[in-house]
Amino acid sequence: AQTVTQSQPEMSVQEAETVTLSCTYDTSESDYYLFWYKQPPSRQMILVIRQEAYKQQNATENRFSVNFQKAAKSFSLKISDSQLGDAAMYFCAYRRTNTGNQFYFGTGTSLTVIP
Amino acid sequence: GAVVSQHPSWVICKSGTSVKIECRSLDFQATTMFWYRQFPKQSLMLMATSNEGSKATYEQGVEKDKFLINHASLTLSTLTVTSAHPEDSSFYICSARGRDPGNTIYFGEGSWLTVV
Repeated sequence: AQTVTQSQPEMSVQEAETVTLSCTYDTSESDYYLFWYKQPPSRQMILVIRQEAYKQQNATENRFSVNFQKAAKSFSLKISDSQLGDAAMYFCAYRRTNTGNQFYFGTGTSLTVIP
Repeated sequence: GAVVSQHPSWVICKSGTSVKIECRSLDFQATTMFWYRQFPKQSLMLMATSNEGSKATYEQGVEKDKFLINHASLTLSTLTVTSAHPEDSSFYICSARGRDPGNTIYFGEGSWLTVV
């Protein structure tokens, strides 16, 4: 079974600074997707960034970028120029590409942005 | 963008009763929907995969007779918590798979269930 591990239950960052959230995963599959989702207090799951495992290039979305190390099964999220609105729970997620497409989520990292 | 809506957003029911939560894809047809459960300050745990026109596939440890899932149409899946107990109180989230080439997954807003 796929497992996703986030070793940082809580992180904090000063506004305008950069923070990196860690994620590792375990799988025997060669093709899959990785995601970072943000869950603010409203509980709505918001997609932050997505990475296809077959792509070597790291995904980037404005202030958000990932460091995808397939061999190490590592998928960290870097948030640059942190803003107050970035404060939320962040979940790393793994998704299979074969039958089902189910998500497997990590335990989450609570990010606090300090003004 | 695609929208997935859940109803009700929150519900309180008495212990022993059943409660139904709906998940609708508003502007696309979803052949597959997923139901998750999230306890406070914890991650989302996949409960089951709901396929239109067929039986749901439950994850290990999830009681299929307690959590009834019906996916009768391409835009609606329902989760019924039968004979609810206080330990069933949780946040339930559905998601639906779109038909775009990337099979984008869209999440609903979630439903809070409190069993008293």
